[in-house]
Amino acid sequence: DTAVSQTPKYLVTQMGNDKSIKCEQNLGHDTMYWYKQDSKKFLKIMFSYNNKELIINETVPNRFSPKSPDKAHLNLHINSLELGDSAVYFCASSQATTLAGSTDTQYFGPGTRLTVL
Amino acid sequence: SQQGEEDPQALSIQEGENATMNCSYKTSINNLQWYRQNSGRGLVHLILIRSNEREKHSGRLRVTLDTSKKSSSLLITASRAADTASYFCATDAVETGGGNKLTFGTGTQLKVEL
Repeated sequence: DTAVSQTPKYLVTQMGNDKSIKCEQNLGHDTMYWYKQDSKKFLKIMFSYNNKELIINETVPNRFSPKSPDKAHLNLHINSLELGDSAVYFCASSQATTLAGSTDTQYFGPGTRLTVL
Repeated sequence: SQQGEEDPQALSIQEGENATMNCSYKTSINNLQWYRQNSGRGLVHLILIRSNEREKHSGRLRVTLDTSKKSSSLLITASRAADTASYFCATDAVETGGGNKLTFGTGTQLKVEL
């Protein structure tokens, strides 16, 4: 019954490897997000998709590539992992996002703790 | 750049006491939201206050918003040990070309002791 789920929960890997994190939401939401939370708990948005279309693309290295096969899924692929990529990555979803008006409540997944050795 | 900053960074109180956390932001907003994060977990939405609202209540939570000072406060009354968590404010910003995003503050770590 999990609303927003992510896999894996923990990911430990060597520098230079390529890895993916998967996210699924069963809330019927139109918009999904990826956030990165660093060791100081600072949470920063990376990407946002609305109905499979990329709408927010913050300044992140192009080693990070999101993919949305359908509006219930948003995966994050990371190439050539670096030590600085170690963080907790959160997926989130919300009902809608509009050109004018405000951002809806976001529902977060449990997070994926990525450790790059 | 980071939108919200919270104060204090950490707060330790006794069960039954009230806890107040403050959030300041820099630009105009449509709404401000408060989230809680328990250790090792994702964020959970607590309350949303729109820019034309000044105060909002939800159970033991009371949020105020002062758009002239670009600040908000979260008050938790009669705190419980289970309230121990990090609390984040988040503000939205309309993106050019479509899409809104939340910008999170630095968070306040609340510890409620028995």
